[in-house]
Amino acid sequence: GQNIDQPTEMTATEGAIVQINCTYQTSGFNGLFWYQQHAGEAPTFLSYNVLDGLEEKGRFSSFLSRSKGYSYLLLKELQMKDSASYLCAVIDGYNKLIFGAGTRLAVHP
Amino acid sequence: GAVVSQHPSRVICKSGTSVKIECRSLDFQATTMFWYRQFPKQSLMLMATSNEGSKATYEQGVEKDKFLINHASLTLSTLTVTSAHPEDSSFYICSARGPALEVSNQPQHFGDGTRLSIL
Repeated sequence: GQNIDQPTEMTATEGAIVQINCTYQTSGFNGLFWYQQHAGEAPTFLSYNVLDGLEEKGRFSSFLSRSKGYSYLLLKELQMKDSASYLCAVIDGYNKLIFGAGTRLAVHP
Repeated sequence: GAVVSQHPSRVICKSGTSVKIECRSLDFQATTMFWYRQFPKQSLMLMATSNEGSKATYEQGVEKDKFLINHASLTLSTLTVTSAHPEDSSFYICSARGPALEVSNQPQHFGDGTRLSIL
């Protein structure tokens, strides 16, 4: 079966750094996405990893290890507006984008 | 700006009504379109995949006669929820995929979603 696992909830303090982990077991792998989603809105693209290593984009970075089936999203200099759900998603061998359950991040002052 | 347009953004209608949701790719040809459904506090669940000019492929547990998908052109796909009932109330999101390098190196783009409420 397809499994994409990430923590359900996390809390962090404004200005801090938080790392959201994602592990996956899918039928084939053609890339991994991270999305941000605020309540009632569509997901917003954050990052796309298809090769091993770290991709950095401003305050957000994403890491991928294909051999370990592991990725993380790193958020630096947290702001209150970063409170949202963060979705890990994988394009499997059938070219379908499959989502994890999402991690709800709460940023406190 | 938006590269995938989804319409309408919100629908409220009576039980038994059929509802059509449109999804258009604005700046690229969408070779594949995907339809997702999201219930409150849950993640996006893939309902079906459609390729232009061919029948949609539905995920296990999704009724193809209930959720009619048409992908008649490379820029338009529609989802029709037939004879909708309160349990069909959900957030429906379309996504389109085209040649990766043409659109910001993001292989897949999402519409803004349609919130469907069946009374």
